[in-house]
Amino acid sequence: DVKVTQSSRYLVKRTGEKVFLECVQDMDHENMFWYRQDPGLGLRLIYFSYDVKMKEKGDIPEGYSVSREKKERFSLILESASTNQTSMYLCASSLDRGKDFSNQPQHFGDGTRLSIL
Amino acid sequence: SQQGEEDPQALSIQEGENATMNCSYKTSINNLQWYRQNSGRGLVHLILIRSNEREKHSGRLRVTLDTSKKSSSLLITASRAADTASYFCATDARSGNNRLAFGKGNQVVVIP
Repeated sequence: DVKVTQSSRYLVKRTGEKVFLECVQDMDHENMFWYRQDPGLGLRLIYFSYDVKMKEKGDIPEGYSVSREKKERFSLILESASTNQTSMYLCASSLDRGKDFSNQPQHFGDGTRLSIL
Repeated sequence: SQQGEEDPQALSIQEGENATMNCSYKTSINNLQWYRQNSGRGLVHLILIRSNEREKHSGRLRVTLDTSKKSSSLLITASRAADTASYFCATDARSGNNRLAFGKGNQVVVIP
């Protein structure tokens, strides 16, 4: 079974801090994704990556950046945390890059619940 | 990007009953996926159904897709307390955007 591991289940940070959320998958998947999930808004895509060192903006990239230095690891960075970034953050991965990757199942981690005070 | 919309938003049923939830979408799709999310956990993929398929089964789950009505339904038969979760549909778009767009989710509570 695919395992997607997010480094923290709960995290509390202060406004203005630089925050790193880490995600690791163990099945050699090409694609990795970061979403945030908010009540009433569902899941929204922040950034995704289809290869090492490659990244593309999702629907709400403002205030975030990402890093993918190794295939198995995809990091989400909040450059200067703000209270409106308090949310549940979900990392996901999927297998193949060559195809339309929306036609593949995505495998999710258990999420990081981030609070910015 | 387009978005699936589930209906109803919340459903409460007795153990052993069937649960049905619907998802509608606005534009043509290549495929539609259903996911489950237990409280405080990540999403788990349940079923992927392609636009040329009308019905798909997986254990106690049955998914139908009606592309003429732009809608899909997820049926859980003989529900169990462990089926208590939120259920999301997710669609792609044929516009060339490869992303998945998730609906807002249906909360299902199965009462033992």
